[in-house]
Amino acid sequence: GAVVSQHPSWVICKSGTSVKIECRSLDFQATTMFWYRQFPKQSLMLMATSNEGSKATYEQGVEKDKFLINHASLTLSTLTVTSAHPEDSSFYICSARSLGSEQFFGPGTRLTVL
Amino acid sequence: AQKITQTQPGMFVQEKEAVTLDCTYDTSDPSYGLFWYKQPSSGEMIFLIYQGSYDQQNATEGRYSLNFQKARKSANLVISASQLGDSAMYFCAMREKTSYDKVIFGPGTSLSVIP
Repeated sequence: GAVVSQHPSWVICKSGTSVKIECRSLDFQATTMFWYRQFPKQSLMLMATSNEGSKATYEQGVEKDKFLINHASLTLSTLTVTSAHPEDSSFYICSARSLGSEQFFGPGTRLTVL
Repeated sequence: AQKITQTQPGMFVQEKEAVTLDCTYDTSDPSYGLFWYKQPSSGEMIFLIYQGSYDQQNATEGRYSLNFQKARKSANLVISASQLGDSAMYFCAMREKTSYDKVIFGPGTSLSVIP
């Protein structure tokens, strides 16, 4: 299947700093990318949907000013957690799809905020 | 309201036995897709099987089969001949046409295979 990468795979940061997570589709052009958050022993919760070249659509309860999503090209989307706090510590997973295709998941990024 | 329900938080199965993981869903969209994913402790999401709402036959992929009962809105995953490597979290997921093809996940079932 298609390959989606995430970078970094894990990150530790201090409270109050911002962290950027990249999601890349390596062998296809992703018209849509999705960002999920997963707390320990819980399911994946969809945070936002981003289409290339347009603003992301956030799910209810997700702060758009805190979780900045940019989908500037057909192969790259970024999620920036601004002014991170310990409660933002989580596993962040992106997925990507091209028009009419299935959704492919990245390996995830584990964020720990001290 | 919960769109996807997985009523078994944890399941145990003996190696080489078959196991059924339950999933029920709620939608009014006539066009939807159902997925099962496996998530081992490494965290990666592994696609297992897909069933479209208009598919006439139950999906099968190797040791995985999906028992699709549309009228009951049920999409149970059957794993045959369980292996130790099957121990993982299993998530049922759904994609609806009317929701811009977003995939949403159920709460998951933790499967442990006992030697």
